[in-house]
Amino acid sequence: AQTVTQSQPEMSVQEAETVTLSCTYDTSESNYYLFWYKQPPSRQMILVIRQEAYKQQNATENRFSVNFQKAAKSFSLKISDSQLGDTAMYFCAFMKHGSSNTGKLIFGQGTTLQVKP
Amino acid sequence: NAGVTQTPKFQVLKTGQSMTLQCAQDMNHNSMYWYRQDPGMGLRLIYYSASEGTTDKGEVPNGYNVSRLNKREFSLRLESAAPSQTSVYFCASNHRDLTGNTIYFGEGSWLTVV
Repeated sequence: AQTVTQSQPEMSVQEAETVTLSCTYDTSESNYYLFWYKQPPSRQMILVIRQEAYKQQNATENRFSVNFQKAAKSFSLKISDSQLGDTAMYFCAFMKHGSSNTGKLIFGQGTTLQVKP
Repeated sequence: NAGVTQTPKFQVLKTGQSMTLQCAQDMNHNSMYWYRQDPGMGLRLIYYSASEGTTDKGEVPNGYNVSRLNKREFSLRLESAAPSQTSVYFCASNHRDLTGNTIYFGEGSWLTVV
């Protein structure tokens, strides 16, 4: 069974600074996807970034980038130039790959990020 | 293009009452899901439907039933609500293309069982 662990329940950062959220996972699969989702106070789940395990290059989406370390089973999210609108809970999630995969996500416990003015 | 739409957004039930959460997606996705989110936790899968006409149990299926009415709609039913089912419920659908899978979520349904 796969597990996802986010060891930082809460973090804070000053506006315009950089912050890194940690995520580790456990799996025996060799091919899979990893995601970061943002959940603002409205509770909507917003996809931030996706990483395919077979890709060595780290995914980047504007101010958001990941550090994917497959051997260490680590998947951290870096937010650069933090903005007040980044305040939210962030979830790391895992999904198996393959034709039998039906797209089921396994989530970590979440990290609450507060961006301070 | 509305994406994934859930109704109702808020509901209060008495213990033992039944209700159905409705979900529809207009993106022509094959797979759909129901998750629940309890305070301070990530989402957990209740049931999923890989394609029209099929449904399977997820991690926490007890106390729920589902129906995949057609490709667009996937409903979640609580036959006899219990306080332990107080949660936020999310419907989702899966977009699969050559680059892989991406899950899109509805806005959530807040359910309180008293």
